Amino acid sequence: GQSLEQPSEVTAVEGAIVQINCTYQTSGFYGLSWYQQHDGGAPTFLSYNALDGLEETGRFSSFLSRSDSYGYLLLQELQMKDSASYFCAVKPSGSARQLTFGSGTQLTVLP
Amino acid sequence: DGGITQSPKYLFRKEGQNVTLSCEQNLNHDAMYWYRQDPGQGLRLIYYSQIVNDFQKGDIAEGYSVSREKKESFPLTVTSAQKNPTAFYLCASVKRGTGAGGAEAFFGQGTRLTVV
Repeated sequence: GQSLEQPSEVTAVEGAIVQINCTYQTSGFYGLSWYQQHDGGAPTFLSYNALDGLEETGRFSSFLSRSDSYGYLLLQELQMKDSASYFCAVKPSGSARQLTFGSGTQLTVLP
Repeated sequence: DGGITQSPKYLFRKEGQNVTLSCEQNLNHDAMYWYRQDPGQGLRLIYYSQIVNDFQKGDIAEGYSVSREKKESFPLTVTSAQKNPTAFYLCASVKRGTGAGGAEAFFGQGTRLTVV
């Protein structure tokens, strides 16, 4: 099976940089994805890492290290609108192709 | 515009009644998923389907049923056997593939089901 662990809450101030970690246990997967969900809304896709290393998309970057079973989402120049829940997810390889999500990290950005 | 649509947004039902949540997509995606989300919690997989006329149980399938008669549609029925059905239900679709396209899930806006 698959399991993904994330911190439940992170708090930072506007303009700061925050890192949200995701550690996982899975027998094999195609890559690690990140999603953002505002209260009461639908999750939206942020980024995807198929290979080890850093992927940058504007203020957001995502990192994957398969050897360490670890990834993170880095948010720079935090804005109030970044307050949301952030989920990591994997799509396992093999016959079981379900998309599995972590438990989510609630980010609160303070003024 | 392509997208994934869930209806209704809010749904109230009496205990013991079955209820069906609609999910339609026009993205031409092969894979579709149903998740349940409880307040302050993550997304738990109920059922998923990789192809028409085929679906698999997820982690919390008990008390739920699905069908996949058309590529565009993946309705979820919450039966009276589900002990605690009040939750936020999210439907998602994913393009077939192992690259980034196969990893990006598109979600509907969700249905908030309240059973009284």
